[in-house]
Amino acid sequence: DAGITQSPRYKITETGRQVTLMCHQTWSHSYMFWYRQDLGHGLRLIYYSAAADITDKGEVPDGYVVSRSKTENFPLTLESATRSQTSVYFCASSESTSPGGRFFGPGTRLTVL
Amino acid sequence: SQQGEEDPQALSIQEGENATMNCSYKTSINNLQWYRQNSGRGLVHLILIRSNEREKHSGRLRVTLDTSKKSSSLLITASRAADTASYFCAHGVNTDKLIFGTGTRLQVFP
Repeated sequence: DAGITQSPRYKITETGRQVTLMCHQTWSHSYMFWYRQDLGHGLRLIYYSAAADITDKGEVPDGYVVSRSKTENFPLTLESATRSQTSVYFCASSESTSPGGRFFGPGTRLTVL
Repeated sequence: SQQGEEDPQALSIQEGENATMNCSYKTSINNLQWYRQNSGRGLVHLILIRSNEREKHSGRLRVTLDTSKKSSSLLITASRAADTASYFCAHGVNTDKLIFGTGTRLQVFP
């Protein structure tokens, strides 16, 4: 299917475990982003990538790791999950030309117990 | 924080009425965008206005931008129940960075 997909859609894990959230887009967009959405904070940028093998920190990167070995995939890893990382995570992509709107995935609801 | 703010936080109107949402930001921008989010879904891009534009239309949407006041407004005319959603503004600081506001929850009653 064309578009941007995220998996899993729902995840429950325990404090201290490693969790990886997957993001896949079929448009060959250069830019990909990870946001978290929390009540009262709106969306905050965690990490972004301008191209394969190029990543950069956003506003709230601590506790997260990303990689981008292929243009279409941008996984987000929580190395040792904490309760404060309970959130809804959105992946997004955009074309290389600027400015441009972001295309968002459906989100992953993560609960850390 | 560079995060923008939206006003009001929540808005309830009847079908057919107009809905106006406002957004303020703190930094210089090169563009401002509005997004809609239906409950439990991802955000959907609605409209983009560049910093050298003052007004833009798209269907029932009208966006204005006042860079001197660092503010923008989104007007939805003749609202429908299907317009019920949260609306977010996002201001573009540079090519890579887009900073989202906290959103306005719009409820349109049939």
